[in-house]
Amino acid sequence: GENVEQHPSTLSVQEGDSAVIKCTYSDSASNYFPWYKQELGKRPQLIIDIRSNVGEKKDQRIAVTLNKTAKHFSLHITETQPEDSAVYFCAARRNNDMRFGAGTRLTVKP
Amino acid sequence: SAVISQKPSRDICQRGTSLTIQCQVDSQVTMMFWYRQQPGQSLTLIATANQGSEATYESGFVIDKFPISRPNLTFSTLTVSNMSPEDSSIYLCSVWKGLNTEAFFGQGTRLTVV
Repeated sequence: GENVEQHPSTLSVQEGDSAVIKCTYSDSASNYFPWYKQELGKRPQLIIDIRSNVGEKKDQRIAVTLNKTAKHFSLHITETQPEDSAVYFCAARRNNDMRFGAGTRLTVKP
Repeated sequence: SAVISQKPSRDICQRGTSLTIQCQVDSQVTMMFWYRQQPGQSLTLIATANQGSEATYESGFVIDKFPISRPNLTFSTLTVSNMSPEDSSIYLCSVWKGLNTEAFFGQGTRLTVV
């Protein structure tokens, strides 16, 4: 089955800096790659996603890139703000099977 | 989008007892799943709740311990049976409205077994 690895496990940046989180997946048939943000005590919520027919997608300060050949995808957050502090999960999906990465705890220091 | 109501939000249970968690969606959904999330950890899939048939369990999870029902396209339950302290965790239901759509999550059930 699919295996998703996520790095780093923790990331601390200064407010205004950029943050990058990387994930790799094992199943070349995976075709949907979402990113979820989970604040403390809250449910995971989708912040951006990308499908396998697209190489990059951007939504304001958030962008995701996908390299199908290398089987990795990355989340980029620019101009970070303290409210970006949370745990971020990547996932890879093939048909009915979606697997999550281990998560990255992002801390944005004011 | 999908609005998911998951109950209870938290509970403290005695070991050896069972707890049933409910997940109600405001519209019909294609897929419903149950996850477990240990504090500070990732989301581990327990099973896929299949409407009208037995759930599909992931390796390490069995029906006797985690019986699941899904009587229709908007509702599912997960029971944690014969609980032990190791079952203390957050349990989340998740739904997909279609096969190529995003996953939505319930607010989770924080279970503590004493």
